[in-house]
Amino acid sequence: DVKVTQSSRYLVKRTGEKVFLECVQDMDHENMFWYRQDPGLGLRLIYFSYDVKMKEKGDIPEGYSVSREKKERFSLILESASTNQTSMYLCASSLSSGLGSVDQPQHFGDGTRLSIL
Amino acid sequence: GQQVMQIPQYQHVQEGEDFTTYCNSSTTLSNIQWYKQRPGGHPVFLIQLVKSGEVKKQKRLTFQFGEAKKNSSLHITATQTTDVGTYFCAAPNDYKLSFGAGTTVTVRA
Repeated sequence: DVKVTQSSRYLVKRTGEKVFLECVQDMDHENMFWYRQDPGLGLRLIYFSYDVKMKEKGDIPEGYSVSREKKERFSLILESASTNQTSMYLCASSLSSGLGSVDQPQHFGDGTRLSIL
Repeated sequence: GQQVMQIPQYQHVQEGEDFTTYCNSSTTLSNIQWYKQRPGGHPVFLIQLVKSGEVKKQKRLTFQFGEAKKNSSLHITATQTTDVGTYFCAAPNDYKLSFGAGTTVTVRA
């Protein structure tokens, strides 16, 4: 079974802090994703990576950056946390049927519920 | 860009009854995927449909892909309390998977 592990289930940070959310997958998947999930807004893609050191902006990249130095690890960084970034953050991974292809099923981690005070 | 619209947003079902949730797109889809998210949990992949008119079953769940590959449905028969959760459809759209808003299912015992 695919295992996607997020470093924290719950996290509380203060406004202005730099926040790191870590995600590790153990199935050698090429693609990795960061989403945020808010009530009434569904799943929104923040960033996507299809290879090491490669990244693509999703629908809502503002205020976030990402890092993928190793294939199994994809980090989400909140450069200067703000209260409107309080949310559930979900990491996912998937196989690729071609460079940049995202048509394969995604496997999600348990999520990190982040509160910014 | 392509979006997938899901209806209904909420479904309140009496235990033992059947229900259907629908997913619609204005453009032809290469495939459609369905996920389930239990309360407090994360989305879990259920199934992928690729072929026009394809029908797949998982126990009491029946998934269908439209002939024109622009819509899909999930039908659950004899609903049980274990069916509680939010069901999402999702379709590839360029570099991302576009998720529908989900149908949240509650069950009356």
